[in-house]
Formats: sequence, C-alpha cells, structure tokens
Amino acid sequence: AQRVTQPEKLLSVFKGAPVELKCNYSYSGSPELFWYVQYSRQRLQLLLRHISRESIKGFTADLNKGETSFHLKKPFAQEEDSAMYYCALLFASGGSYIPTFGRGTSLIVHP
Amino acid sequence: NAGVTQTPKFQVLKTGQSMTLQCAQDMNHEYMSWYRQDPGMGLRLIHYSVGAGITDQGEVPNGYNVSRSTTEDFPLRLLSAAPSQTSVYFCASSPYDRNEQFFGPGTRLTVL
Repeated sequence: AQRVTQPEKLLSVFKGAPVELKCNYSYSGSPELFWYVQYSRQRLQLLLRHISRESIKGFTADLNKGETSFHLKKPFAQEEDSAMYYCALLFASGGSYIPTFGRGTSLIVHP
Repeated sequence: NAGVTQTPKFQVLKTGQSMTLQCAQDMNHEYMSWYRQDPGMGLRLIHYSVGAGITDQGEVPNGYNVSRSTTEDFPLRLLSAAPSQTSVYFCASSPYDRNEQFFGPGTRLTVL
C-alpha cells in the first residue's frame, strides 16, 4: 500500500543553518510528489512539486527513486521558514489520482 | 476570486448532534476533497469528488457523508457527532486530480 513517511515531528535549527526535511514514500507506481507548507494562521499551500524541478523560497527537493525519497532542502534557513511542512504523494486509485499526506514536520528556525 | 471558502470557522457540537460543514470554490475546479487534520496524524482524506454528481470515499469516511450537486459546492455532513470527530477540517479543490490542491481556511470542530 502507498505510504508517506516524515520521520521528524519537529525540526529545530538556527537562522543560517542548512535544513533538510525528510520524506520517504512507498508506492509501486510512478510517484508524483509534492511539498505543502502551512505558515501560522495561513492556509496550506503548495511549496513545490517534483515535476516542476524549481526552487521556491530557496527550497529544493529532488526525487530519488532508488531511495524512494523526496527530501526538502534549503542551504540557509530563515526565521520566516518556520511552519508546518507536509509531503504528499499522488497515487492512482479507481481511475483517479488521490493524494496521501505524511504526518508533517514542524520546522522552527531560531534567530 | 475568493478561492476556496469554508463555513463556519469554529463550531462546538454535543455528542449525537448533526451538522453540515460548507465548502465552496469559485475557480470552476472539478476536483474537491475534504481532509481532517489531527495532531501527529497529518492530513487524512475523508471524501473526494472528481466532478459534479461523483463522490468517493477516502481514508477515513466513517461518520461523514458528502454530495456534489454543483461544481462549486461540496458540503460535508456529520450524521451523529462523536468526540473522535473533534478536529480541524480542510476543504480543497483542484482543476483536476493530478494538479496542485488549493485549500480553504479550515473549520475547527469540537464535539463535547
């Protein structure tokens, strides 16, 4: 069965430090992966998806099919990056594609 | 565009009461879905719809009903509220099922 694992509930770093939020997936099909972010008092919103291969707010994520991972990285964390981050996998089911989310990682960036 | 709207923002129910959480979108999106967000559990899909008149169950559908009579609206009904349904509920929409999802602001529900 498909599954998304975010092993860290909480990640705490200092401003300027590198950040890596881990995401591992389990899926027999061709994966489509997303990172969503929820800032305090704001809606969940898309941060990036693997097929676009772009950098958003300094974050990048590379799909590694061999390690079944889609880790989110940023070389220098900023205080405004503090938020809840969710990794999501789209899987095929009954003619539709359905997202399944990880449990989320709370990132806190200290000044 | 208002995007995805949800009402109410907050609701307190007693066990056994029923209610409907409203969700509407003005982006002409075909795909709509309902999630619940619980601490340590992430987002779990309750029900989804790929178009008007079509709905299907997600991961945690028990105790909830949905209908999709129009493209714009996707209400979620709690038939007989239970304390286990205390959660934050998010509605989302997407142009189609393989695209980015746009989320509403959420409804915080407490069942006593």
